[in-house]
Amino acid sequence: GQNIDQPTEMTATEGAIVQINCTYQTSGFNGLFWYQQHAGEAPTFLSYNVLDGLEEKGRFSSFLSRSKGYSYLLLKELQMKDSASYLCAPWDSNYQLIWGAGTKLIIKP
Amino acid sequence: GAVVSQHPSWVICKSGTSVKIECRSLDFQATTMFWYRQFPKQSLMLMATSNEGSKATYEQGVEKDKFLINHASLTLSTLTVTSAHPEDSSFYICSAKGTSGDSYEQYFGPGTRLTVT
Repeated sequence: GQNIDQPTEMTATEGAIVQINCTYQTSGFNGLFWYQQHAGEAPTFLSYNVLDGLEEKGRFSSFLSRSKGYSYLLLKELQMKDSASYLCAPWDSNYQLIWGAGTKLIIKP
Repeated sequence: GAVVSQHPSWVICKSGTSVKIECRSLDFQATTMFWYRQFPKQSLMLMATSNEGSKATYEQGVEKDKFLINHASLTLSTLTVTSAHPEDSSFYICSAKGTSGDSYEQYFGPGTRLTVT
């Protein structure tokens, strides 16, 4: 079956760094997305990885290891507005996004 | 660019009535639109995929006669919840894929919160 595993909730301090891990099992693989979703809002795109390695985009970086079925999202210089859920979503062989429940990130001052 | 709108943003209706939700791509043509449903503290659940000019493909367990999807143009898809019941109360989100550019990215609408009383 298809499965996404992320921590349910994480807490970090403003200005710090946090890494959100994601392991996945899918029927085929065509890349992996990270989305941010604030409470009561729709997801917004953060990153897309299709090859192994690290993709950096400002304060956010995303890493992928296809052989391990593993990805992480790294958030630096945390700001209060980064409090949100972060969704790891791999693309399966049919180009269908597989969604997990996401990781709720709480930022404390 | 790549803006998707939804209307209405929230709606309250009585049990047994029907509700139509519109999803529009404002500045690009969307060959494919997706309809999701999300219950509180749960993951997004794909309901159906619609391609312009053809019938929607529904996910297993989603009643196509209850959730009517129409994708009549490259910029508009509609979801009609027929004979709504309280258990249909949820956050409904559409997303769209464009015909060019970053073809892998799905652009999400802001969502529609439906409450059935």
